[in-house]
Amino acid sequence: EPEVTQTPSHQVTQMGQEVILRCVPISNHLYFYWYRQILGQKVEFLVSFYNNEISEKSEIFDDQFSVERPDGSNFTLKIRSTKLEDSAMYFCASSEGSRANEKLFFGSGTQLSVL
Amino acid sequence: AQSVTQLDSHVSVSEGTPVLLRCNYSSSYSPSLFWYVQHPNKGLQLLLKYTSAATLVKGINGFEAEFKKSETSFHLTKPSAHMSDAAEYFCVLTGYSSASKIIFGSGTRLSIRP
Repeated sequence: EPEVTQTPSHQVTQMGQEVILRCVPISNHLYFYWYRQILGQKVEFLVSFYNNEISEKSEIFDDQFSVERPDGSNFTLKIRSTKLEDSAMYFCASSEGSRANEKLFFGSGTQLSVL
Repeated sequence: AQSVTQLDSHVSVSEGTPVLLRCNYSSSYSPSLFWYVQHPNKGLQLLLKYTSAATLVKGINGFEAEFKKSETSFHLTKPSAHMSDAAEYFCVLTGYSSASKIIFGSGTRLSIRP
């Protein structure tokens, strides 16, 4: 089965630093997503992306976050000035379409630790 | 409001015995429900999905789930557990109009005893 690839698997950063989390979605997919899971809490939706623009975002996705598809294959999540509470597992996902019953393909996640 | 509740945070069974992972949902519309599995250091993998075509849904690796509207449940079962089934399992409810509005349950960690 095709896979979504995320790098790095672990990222440690100092509070206030910028981080970029990288994802390579499945090649024929058109919709891309970021989710996060803070330790001990549920997986939360951050943002969805289609046709080179954000289609939906949650209230978590404030001005410190941005997403980009810089080269047609990568999909990145940038956190401009990290906070301690940004420490979480970040999952990238992609799908062919956006129907409610669409199958999402998830990456293995990037564990972000903000010190 | 839409919500998903996984009733057990941890389930432990012996190898070869049945598995039952419980999920209840609340939805104001006809739901689409999924079970995803996450093995250590792996991504979330789709086990099965319910989209109103049939109430009993068969998935990969011998898992199945039954949608019961009267009980608002979508429990995951497997007749005989295997050591490789040890993982975290998530029940997921999707939004009416968009794949992005999906709601995850809190997860159930399945342990298999030899």
